[in-house]
Amino acid sequence: DAGVIQSPRHEVTEMGQEVTLRCKPISGHNSLFWYRQTMMRGLELLIYFNNNVPIDDSGMPEDRFSAKMPNASFSTLKIQPSEPRDSAVYFCASRRTGAEAFFGQGTRLTVV
Amino acid sequence: GENVEQHPSTLSVQEGDSAVIKCTYSDSASNYFPWYKQELGKRPQLIIDIRSNVGEKKDQRIAVTLNKTAKHFSLHITETQPEDSAVYFCAASRSASKIIFGSGTRLSIRP
Repeated sequence: DAGVIQSPRHEVTEMGQEVTLRCKPISGHNSLFWYRQTMMRGLELLIYFNNNVPIDDSGMPEDRFSAKMPNASFSTLKIQPSEPRDSAVYFCASRRTGAEAFFGQGTRLTVV
Repeated sequence: GENVEQHPSTLSVQEGDSAVIKCTYSDSASNYFPWYKQELGKRPQLIIDIRSNVGEKKDQRIAVTLNKTAKHFSLHITETQPEDSAVYFCAASRSASKIIFGSGTRLSIRP
C-alpha cells in the first residue's frame, strides 16, 4: 500500500482565494482525520469521519473551512476565502477502528 | 471537552541518558494511547502504543506506562542516541473515536 496520499505537497495562494486540499486514505481504513499543525497550536484535530460520515467537526475554526468525504477513498478540505492565519501544515490520517493512525506527508499551505 | 496535557515542552539530555515524557488525559473512557515521533519536516509516525488493559509495554529502548486510575501515561527512552532527537507526541483515543494529541515535546540529545 502507498500509504495515505495527500495533494498538493505545497500550496502558495493569495489571501481571499479558495484552497482545496486532497487526501486518499489507506484502503480498508474506516476512519479519516484532518489535522492542522502550527508551532503555536501543535496538532489540532479539525474534523474526523467514520465510514465516510462526518462525526465531529468541532475543531473546524470557522465557516470558511469545510470538509467532505464522498467515498471511502477520497476526502477534501476546503478553505474559502483563505487568510494568512490559515498558513500551516495540514495532515490527513486514517486508521481502522481502534488501530494505529497513519499520517500522510502533509500539505504545507502558505497564504500571502 | 477531551484534553491531553503533555510535559515537558522541551527536553535536553546527554547521549546515553534516559528521557521521560509525561501525559495526562481527561476522558476516562479513553482506551488507546499511542506515541508518535515527528522528525523535522516529516510526518508523525507511531513508535509505540498501549491499550487500557495493559499497564506497561516495552520495545527495545522504548517503554510506555499507563496509570488508568490517575489518567497518566509516560514514555521512557533509555540509552538515548542522536537519532532520538525529534518532537514526540502523546495521544489518547476511544476505539472508534477521535485521536486527541498532546502539545508535543521537543527532545534534543547532547553529544
